[in-house]
Amino acid sequence: NAGVMQNPRHLVRRRGQEARLRCSPMKGHSHVYWYRQLPEEGLKFMVYLQKENIIDESGMPKERFSAEFPKEGPSILRIQQVVRGDSAAYFCASSRRDRGESYEQYFGPGTRLTVT
Amino acid sequence: KQEVTQIPAALSVPEGENLVLNCSFTDSAIYNLQWFRQDPGKGLTSLLLIQSSQREQTSGRLNASLDKSSGRSTLYIAASQPGDSATYLCAARSSGGYNKLIFGAGTRLAVHP
Repeated sequence: NAGVMQNPRHLVRRRGQEARLRCSPMKGHSHVYWYRQLPEEGLKFMVYLQKENIIDESGMPKERFSAEFPKEGPSILRIQQVVRGDSAAYFCASSRRDRGESYEQYFGPGTRLTVT
Repeated sequence: KQEVTQIPAALSVPEGENLVLNCSFTDSAIYNLQWFRQDPGKGLTSLLLIQSSQREQTSGRLNASLDKSSGRSTLYIAASQPGDSATYLCAARSSGGYNKLIFGAGTRLAVHP
């Protein structure tokens, strides 16, 4: 059973370009979460999605960032007009269910975005 | 608003020592608490998950405890080895709101031979 998959693993963009980060959840998981880790900091929640729905985007910057999880295909985190401050590791996690104490999130290897 | 703090920020110990990593959280209304390991430049590996109804969980040389009333969790590593060197993160999932995990900044552990 493959784990959470993220691609690309490393992404370099020049200021002003767009970055697209992809996440394929574990088989059987229908809930996806995106987190960002700035250099020397802990992970910060960005957004929580279910298929075709954004459930909680309270951690997402109001501008330039968007996320989707379509009915078919991976979840996409999109950053428009990137700036140097967007340089970070972006982690995706997935879970099987969102209620009850048996919940657990499984993390992917991350995408390291560098903005030059 | 949930906040998670980990102390110490960094720890360097000789091989073989037993050690304790601390995690505190401000909101005791949590569903569970998870401990992760992160190697440099890598993703997160889940080590232990403690449900709110549990007091501790064990896996091999690792033991994690949870005290909701005091807002604390500890990760105990027995007989540390150089391969344990990594950053250890704790994350709390609050019972209110949705499923986001709130992470501490981590404890960077170095075990030297």
